[in-house]
Amino acid sequence: EVQLVESGGGLVKPGGSLKLSCAASGFTFSNAWMSWVRQAPGKGLEWVGRIKSETDGETTDYAAPVKGRFTISRDDSKNTLYLQMNSLKTEDTAVYYCATVARGSGWISLHYYYYYYMDVWGKGTTVTVSS
Amino acid sequence: DIQMTQSPSSVSASVGDRVTITCRASQGISRWLAWYQQKPGKAPKLLIYAASSLQSGVPSRFSGSGSGTDFTLTISSLQPEDFATYYCQQADSFPLTFGGGTKVEIK
Repeated sequence: EVQLVESGGGLVKPGGSLKLSCAASGFTFSNAWMSWVRQAPGKGLEWVGRIKSETDGETTDYAAPVKGRFTISRDDSKNTLYLQMNSLKTEDTAVYYCATVARGSGWISLHYYYYYYMDVWGKGTTVTVSS
Repeated sequence: DIQMTQSPSSVSASVGDRVTITCRASQGISRWLAWYQQKPGKAPKLLIYAASSLQSGVPSRFSGSGSGTDFTLTISSLQPEDFATYYCQQADSFPLTFGGGTKVEIK
């Protein structure tokens, strides 16, 4: 069974740091692109960032609100994804989900395109930033 | 970044009703759109990708359509388990972005 289990959430003061983990099982983690998505209390979904597989360069991409403060990394030997969060702000309070990034492709008017969506999600871990 | 706008923000409907939710992208995204369902306290669940492709295991009463900037999610006959919040997500390019959500409530 494909499974993602997040951990590491908790209460942290503004300006503090926290590192989240996401343990993967049931699929070949090393081949997967992975994302973090968050949801503030009573709000909608917000994509946080993505890391590609090692074979695709293990490059990262981030949403503007977290760029320069958050870092996504992975340890394929442990089938684990990480989210290092520094300089935390009260507005970072949210449930943080990890998810696999599915990649599709198709032809449109003689051009070949790729598209990306999240097909497997963990249950989430809660981060509260408060003094 | 591509902005996604969903409407309505909420809809009240009865079991058996046909429900349609719309999503508009700030620029053309071909067919590269996904839809998710989220129930309170639970993780989102993928329903549809590439605008109209049904994810495995999702009931056929869910369907998606559209291309370019305008998309729709239709539930042909609302069931009790369908009361939830639905989100669209542009799948065209990073950063991935979501619509604000549509809450389907019991009438």
